[in-house]
Amino acid sequence: NAGVTQTPKFRVLKTGQSMTLLCAQDMNHEYMYWYRQDPGMGLRLIHYSVGEGTTAKGEVPDGYNVSRLKKQNFLLGLESAAPSQTSVYFCASRDLVYGYTFGSGTRLTVV
Amino acid sequence: QKEVEQDPGPLSVPEGAIVSLNCTYSNSAFQYFMWYRQYSRKGPELLMYTYSSGNKEDGRFTAQVDKSSKYISLFIRDSQPSDSATYLCAMSAVDSNYQLIWGAGTKLIIKP
Repeated sequence: NAGVTQTPKFRVLKTGQSMTLLCAQDMNHEYMYWYRQDPGMGLRLIHYSVGEGTTAKGEVPDGYNVSRLKKQNFLLGLESAAPSQTSVYFCASRDLVYGYTFGSGTRLTVV
Repeated sequence: QKEVEQDPGPLSVPEGAIVSLNCTYSNSAFQYFMWYRQYSRKGPELLMYTYSSGNKEDGRFTAQVDKSSKYISLFIRDSQPSDSATYLCAMSAVDSNYQLIWGAGTKLIIKP
């Protein structure tokens, strides 16, 4: 099925550990986004990409890095995880003006 | 002040009731208005999309945009328990490359 796939779905990290979240889309979308969702805060944009090889900072980029080496993949990295990064992470891609398609999310807990 | 304000709820109504969900915004440049539905432990999915002012109807759902008041609404008629979810409003402008600005989401509970 066409869509956005996120891996892993769940992860527990210890403070200071690193990890990479993978987002893959098969819709040939140019734009891709990483959001985090916390209770009462809604969706907050971390980083985004407007095409292969490009990345840009969103609203809450500190502590995260991203890469878009291939058009279909958008990676989110945490170099040194902190408890404040405990959240649900969503990847999305979009076509033209609207039509954001979201993945099913990654639940990350940092202890 | 946030660009988009949305009451987080929860909003609890009996099955069959008409539900009204609302967002207000401050940026007059917003032209594209969307409602997303998010079930528990799932990603948001696009429910309704409206360009500029006016109404749009899709089955039991109606989206309204009042640009003069900077106010958007989503109405759900004959609400069903399966409508229980969090509803997020989102909007964008051409000059921001259509990047979505999100409301915090309203949790809706439909009681059987």
